[in-house]
Amino acid sequence: GDSVTQMEGPVTLSEEAFLTINCTYTATGYPSLFWYVQYPGEGLQLLLKATKADDKGSNKGFEATYRKETTSFHLEKGSVQVSDSAVYFCALRESQGAQKLVFGQGTRLTINP
Amino acid sequence: DTAVSQTPKYLVTQMGNDKSIKCEQNLGHDTMYWYKQDSKKFLKIMFSYNNKELIINETVPNRFSPKSPDKAHLNLHINSLELGDSAVYFCASSQEGNRGQETQYFGPGTRLLVL
Repeated sequence: GDSVTQMEGPVTLSEEAFLTINCTYTATGYPSLFWYVQYPGEGLQLLLKATKADDKGSNKGFEATYRKETTSFHLEKGSVQVSDSAVYFCALRESQGAQKLVFGQGTRLTINP
Repeated sequence: DTAVSQTPKYLVTQMGNDKSIKCEQNLGHDTMYWYKQDSKKFLKIMFSYNNKELIINETVPNRFSPKSPDKAHLNLHINSLELGDSAVYFCASSQEGNRGQETQYFGPGTRLLVL
């Protein structure tokens, strides 16, 4: 079945550092791709999404580009803040069958002042 | 204005008990979901309902029974609770359309601890 693999965490950075969290996927068809963020003690919030190849999703300074050739959707931010500390989930939505949302294992990010 | 709400937020109970978690969405969506997040933060879908009909039923013990009285509600009933049921349960909803591009909106989660 379809699957998502994320960069192992935890990731710890200093404020204003550059962030990359790698995400690759395996899917049949043409899935939609998502990044969700989970702040401590809260539910998941959509951060950004891309629905077709070469689309770039962006929000709150984060961005990710749907790369079909490398089956990747890496999350980047140029300058992180302490408030970005959270768990980040890459996910794909199947384009066929039950169209389930399949999550990666999550990457815990901690930003130190 | 809470979009997807769940009750209770915390649930501590003894093994063998039966419990229910309620979910309501006020977004007018036609599809609702239940997910389980384990202690390592891994998230997996359990069930999906579209217009009150069961669409997705993953390999979940039949002690878990979802019930959708209407499009805005999807409750989860768990019989004979076991230690391994301890997790965070998330409800989500979406308005389905074309090709699975639609965003799912998540509730705040219900933290279940079985003792």
